[in-house]
Amino acid sequence: GQQLNQSPQSMFIQEGEDVSMNCTSSSIFNTWLWYKQDPGEGPVLLIALYKAGELTSNGRLTAQFGITRKDSFLNISASIPSDVGIYFCAGPPNTNAGKSTFGDGTTLTVKP
Amino acid sequence: NAGVTQTPKFQVLKTGQSMTLQCAQDMNHEYMSWYRQDPGMGLRLIHYSVGAGITDQGEVPNGYNVSRSTTEDFPLRLLSAAPSQTSVYFCATLGGNGYTFGSGTRLTVV
Repeated sequence: GQQLNQSPQSMFIQEGEDVSMNCTSSSIFNTWLWYKQDPGEGPVLLIALYKAGELTSNGRLTAQFGITRKDSFLNISASIPSDVGIYFCAGPPNTNAGKSTFGDGTTLTVKP
Repeated sequence: NAGVTQTPKFQVLKTGQSMTLQCAQDMNHEYMSWYRQDPGMGLRLIHYSVGAGITDQGEVPNGYNVSRSTTEDFPLRLLSAAPSQTSVYFCATLGGNGYTFGSGTRLTVV
């Protein structure tokens, strides 16, 4: 099955700084998904990518589908305190597999 | 439109007790799943269902049972709780826009 490696595991940054995180896969993907989990809540979809090389923005967030189709990147510009949370990458949902399609998450802490 | 509703939000159990975590959805999604989230270990798949009457095991199914008698409901049962099952549990459905998660159940087993 697919295996995802997400890094870094955690980040501590100052408000206003930019953030970068990435996810790599052992398999070629046709879809990359990025989720954010606010403290005490379930993950919520931020950005979906469907094409190699695709660059998609959602406000201050920008995600890219790597051209090798085995990686994806999420950037957050000018971070603010409400960016705090856990960010998960995910590969294409596989409803016939018994394994999670999510990375282990990047925990972001933003200091005011 | 509530999406995915999980109850209870918090629960404390004694070792050996049983309980059922409820999950209900109103999106008519066929696929439903249960995950547990532990620090540093991401979201691990416990059980999943591709439709009413069909369930299957995920990565960490031991100690948990599920059933899917209707499209809307997918309860997760702990028959004899153990401290190792202390975790945050999420139910999720899968539709055209990816996964939709409930807000989670924080379970502590003492």
